[in-house]
Amino acid sequence: GAVVSQHPSWVICKSGTSVKIECRSLDFQATTMFWYRQFPKQSLMLMATSNEGSKATYEQGVEKDKFLINHASLTLSTLTVTSAHPEDSSFYICSARDVALAGFGDTQYFGPGTRLTVL
Amino acid sequence: DAKTTQPPSMDCAEGRAANLPCNHSTISGNEYVYWYRQIHSQGPQYIIHGLKNNETNEMASLIITEDRKSSTLILPHATLRDTAVYYCIVRVFYNQGGKLIFGQGTELSVKP
Repeated sequence: GAVVSQHPSWVICKSGTSVKIECRSLDFQATTMFWYRQFPKQSLMLMATSNEGSKATYEQGVEKDKFLINHASLTLSTLTVTSAHPEDSSFYICSARDVALAGFGDTQYFGPGTRLTVL
Repeated sequence: DAKTTQPPSMDCAEGRAANLPCNHSTISGNEYVYWYRQIHSQGPQYIIHGLKNNETNEMASLIITEDRKSSTLILPHATLRDTAVYYCIVRVFYNQGGKLIFGQGTELSVKP
C-alpha cells in the first residue's frame, strides 16, 4: 500500500514552454500533497503544500505564478512549470499524506520523481 | 521543527548491521523522529518513525535515547541495495504545522 505515482518520469522541453507534472496517490486518499525540488548533489527542497480544493501554500522564495499547483481531487495534484527556462531543470518530487493514518504517525509517501530538462 | 545533525557519510560491510546516528538536541515534546532514505535518482522512501519508545519494523529499528536528544537507525543486515542517503527529520504532525524538511543526510555505502 501507500503508493504514489508521478507522470511523466522524465520530460525534455524547449525554453519558454510549460510543462505539467502529475502526482497521484494510487491506494489511499491524500487531502494534502507536497511538491519538492532537488538539484544535483543537493537535498530536497520543499516548494509548496497543496490541500484538496484550496489554494496551495508556497515556501518562501518560490514563485507561485511560475509553479502552478492544482489539487482537484483526493488522489491527484498537478504541478505546472510555466515558461520554463534552463535554470528550472531539476528533479521534481511529490509526496502525499495518508489521511487515514493521520493519527498514527502522519506519514508522507513519496513519488518516484520527474526529471525535467529545459533546453 | 528541531534541527538534526548527521554524519555526512558512513561505510558498512555487507551483512553487518548499519548504525546511523542522528542528533536532535533541541527536540520538543511533541516532535517525532522520522527516517527516510533516498536511493540515487529515486524519490525518498519512508523507513520508520518514533516519539519516545524504540520502534522496529520489517526494514529497520529506531533507538531513541531516554532524553530524546539523539537516535540511531539500525539496519540489521545491510545489503548492497541499502546504499543510499539516509535522512533523519524531526517534526510535529502536519495538522500542528509540521513540515518534512530535509537536511543533508548521511550517505551510506554498503561494501561487499
